[in-house]
Amino acid sequence: DQQVKQNSPSLSVQEGRISILNCDYTNSMFDYFLWYKKYPAEGPTFLISISSIKDKNEDGRFTVFLNKSAKHLSLHIVPSQPGDSAVYFCAARGNAGGTSYGKLTFGQGTILTVHP
Amino acid sequence: NAGVTQTPKFQVLKTGQSMTLQCAQDMNHNSMYWYRQDPGMGLRLIYYSASEGTTDKGEVPNGYNVSRLNKREFSLRLESAAPSQTSVYFCATTLSAGGPRNIQYFGAGTRLSVL
Repeated sequence: DQQVKQNSPSLSVQEGRISILNCDYTNSMFDYFLWYKKYPAEGPTFLISISSIKDKNEDGRFTVFLNKSAKHLSLHIVPSQPGDSAVYFCAARGNAGGTSYGKLTFGQGTILTVHP
Repeated sequence: NAGVTQTPKFQVLKTGQSMTLQCAQDMNHNSMYWYRQDPGMGLRLIYYSASEGTTDKGEVPNGYNVSRLNKREFSLRLESAAPSQTSVYFCATTLSAGGPRNIQYFGAGTRLSVL
């Protein structure tokens, strides 16, 4: 039972254009969502997050959008740069009322390739 | 500051052998986690420790044991390794599992092959 899904295994984008990475979830008890970036042979690093009480959070070139009614979040990268090429994971945290409290559930990841 | 340090970086085991993966953090965090990453599966939680002295099972605990040795160290033990345990293992920490944001910080990983 995959509670957090990233249905696109890969995405290829031209440098300077927008990258949009998508994530869907099924558990309405999630209250906080995060995006992580992972380069080969390194651990994941935190990129940006959003609380369930918000619908948008922006940090420089990175914006995360949350649509609670659709149980969908997306990460926008504008403009995309070759250094953004990595695997991107979305993750969700369970709230205090659920069995996932204090734990993160990760999606499968999307490989982003930004071409010069 | 080293952050989160995992040892070893690479390991090859034969089926049935045992080993312990070590994780140490100097971030003064209370909560620590062990994940495994397999192709197409994302990161799956094996065990976690919300605070020193406590451990709990995650999504895929079978075949593993953990020890929260002190606040800094959290080890993962494979008593009798199986080929299905071939994976990349990540340790992560956060200030408090029940905190407002629970941003987890990861080590560089241990790549384990079981033949």
